[in-house]
Amino acid sequence: EAQVTQNPRYLITVTGKKLTVTCSQNMNHEYMSWYRQDPGLGLRQIYYSMNVEVTDKGDVPEGYKVSRKEKRNFPLILESPSPNQTSLYFCASSKATGTSIHNEQFFGPGTRLTVL
Amino acid sequence: SQQGEEDPQALSIQEGENATMNCSYKTSINNLQWYRQNSGRGLVHLILIRSNEREKHSGRLRVTLDTSKKSSSLLITASRAADTASYFCATPRGDNNDMRFGAGTRLTVKP
Repeated sequence: EAQVTQNPRYLITVTGKKLTVTCSQNMNHEYMSWYRQDPGLGLRQIYYSMNVEVTDKGDVPEGYKVSRKEKRNFPLILESPSPNQTSLYFCASSKATGTSIHNEQFFGPGTRLTVL
Repeated sequence: SQQGEEDPQALSIQEGENATMNCSYKTSINNLQWYRQNSGRGLVHLILIRSNEREKHSGRLRVTLDTSKKSSSLLITASRAADTASYFCATPRGDNNDMRFGAGTRLTVKP
């Protein structure tokens, strides 16, 4: 089954404790992306990647890191989480055509993160 | 800032009625996409319309795109209670590959 998986699905942590949210897709997609969703603000893009070893900042990259060492995986790293990073996080992937993305994105189920 | 902005923010209708949601955007685009989200779950792609298309249909969905007005609309015909969800428009910017989503329209279809 074609899918995007995220782990963990729920996480409660404390300020300053480094954490990683994993994302994996089995569709051989070039494009992967992380979003956060907050009430009233919709989805905001954190980072995206057009392919292995290529990452770019989205709208709200501060406080986050990503890496793309393999095509299927795109982990999101919070080196020192703060309460304002409490949010619902989504990973997504898409096929890319040439240097542009034209196609639908497939979303993971989401990770609900609470930083105390 | 939000690239896509949906209007209205919330919409409540009776089953069987049509629902229309609008999306406005600011910069040039190569396509515009509509997604649906059931409460707290991942988004599901509904339909993609390219910048050189004006209208597209998929089942009970009809999407229009007016690039001169930088706007799009999503029409759901003969709505069902199961259509209750939030609907988002999204655009990859023409000169970049970041994706911009609006804040969404919350649709409630009453049985």
